[in-house]
Amino acid sequence: GGIITQTPKFLIGQEGQKLTLKCQQNFNHDTMYWYRQDSGKGLRLIYYSITENDLQKGDLSEGYDASREKKSSFSLTVTSAQKNEMAVFLCASRNWGRAETLYFGSGTRLTVL
Amino acid sequence: GDSVTQKQGQVTLSEDDFLFINCTYSTTTYPTLLWYVQYPGQGPQLLLKVTTANNKGISRGFEATYDKGTTSFHLQKASVQESDSAVYFCAFCFNNAGAKLTFGGGTRLTVRP
Repeated sequence: GGIITQTPKFLIGQEGQKLTLKCQQNFNHDTMYWYRQDSGKGLRLIYYSITENDLQKGDLSEGYDASREKKSSFSLTVTSAQKNEMAVFLCASRNWGRAETLYFGSGTRLTVL
Repeated sequence: GDSVTQKQGQVTLSEDDFLFINCTYSTTTYPTLLWYVQYPGQGPQLLLKVTTANNKGISRGFEATYDKGTTSFHLQKASVQESDSAVYFCAFCFNNAGAKLTFGGGTRLTVRP
């Protein structure tokens, strides 16, 4: 088995601040994802990376940057935190041939004061 | 565009009640349909999947049937337990290398003992 580790678990930022969230997986999966979870809005895709050195924008990429440093790690940057923003950011990965099975981390909860 | 709709944001039941969570999807062809479950403090995990080949998925007492005519994929369980309390997401994907999962808004199930 494997695990996805997201750090930090809780992140508190100030309006306008640049914030970075990190994700590590030891599944040896090729594809990794960042989703944003807001209450009642489900999971919305921010960025994904099919293989190392690849980056693809999702539906919610504006206001974010991403970086796939190596196969096992995928970072997300909030370029300018919005006041009163509160959401959970979920990282996931999957095998090349198993499109339906995403393995998720437990999330980073962001609060912007 | 592609979308998944879950009309029920919250469902509250008592133990041994019947569960029905509504899900409809909109896309141009026939995807693989999925239900994910998210327990408190965890990331979502795959509960069951259904393809056009098999039409029905069953897992842990939950069941969902692929209905191409009404583009629906409802989740059912005959008798819920308190441990089933979680958020349930309907989703779909296509089996290709760049596959993205499209998620619905989620339904929070609370089961009272």
